[in-house]
Amino acid sequence: QITLKESGPTLVKPTQTLTLTCTFSGFSLSTSGVGVGWIRQPPGKALEWLALIYWNGDKRYSPSLKSRLTITKDTSKNQVVLTMTNMNPVDTATYYCAHKLLRGFAFDIWGQGTMVTVSS
Amino acid sequence: SYVLTQPPSVSVAPGQTARITCGGNNIGSKSVHWYQQKPGQAPVLVVYDDSDRPSGIPERFSGSNSGNTATLTISRVEAGDEADYYCQVWDSSSDHRHYVFGTGTKVTVL
Repeated sequence: QITLKESGPTLVKPTQTLTLTCTFSGFSLSTSGVGVGWIRQPPGKALEWLALIYWNGDKRYSPSLKSRLTITKDTSKNQVVLTMTNMNPVDTATYYCAHKLLRGFAFDIWGQGTMVTVSS
Repeated sequence: SYVLTQPPSVSVAPGQTARITCGGNNIGSKSVHWYQQKPGQAPVLVVYDDSDRPSGIPERFSGSNSGNTATLTISRVEAGDEADYYCQVWDSSSDHRHYVFGTGTKVTVL
């Protein structure tokens, strides 16, 4: 059974850097085809894809946020970490990590999400 | 970048059929995935690769994709289908290959 869980601060100040950790079980990020992504959702708004890392270390980023994002993996710890620099109140959102289907580009299992508020 | 447009809302009576559209330039050439999200919950994948269903998703959920429009169809709508629905694709048509979500549609069961 695949599970994912996000963790990190609930409150960050403007200009700070956000670091979120996705801890997962039920699969290995060293298995060919596996990917873990990050998606966020501001209150009352639509889903927005942020980043994804593949089993082979390949990374993809949202074009609009690429300069602020870094995604990394620790295969031994079953974790994926997302950092977002220069946080702004508009970055207030629920942040989800999700498992990508082995074949194709859908996210089949999602974490419960973690709410991050950006405020001074 | 690639844009996916959905109607903000769709209303349907119980037992009837709901159709949710997702518009994008030549979306028929891409694989479309659909998610259901109920209030306070994480999204759930209900259709992938245009028309396949994950295990545990009722056959009432089906999908199609052609031309510039993909459609999620919910047959015999139930009260429990009331939720927000999002389409999603992988856009590899530009230098910035990336995932894209639609604008979302709120389905209300009357």
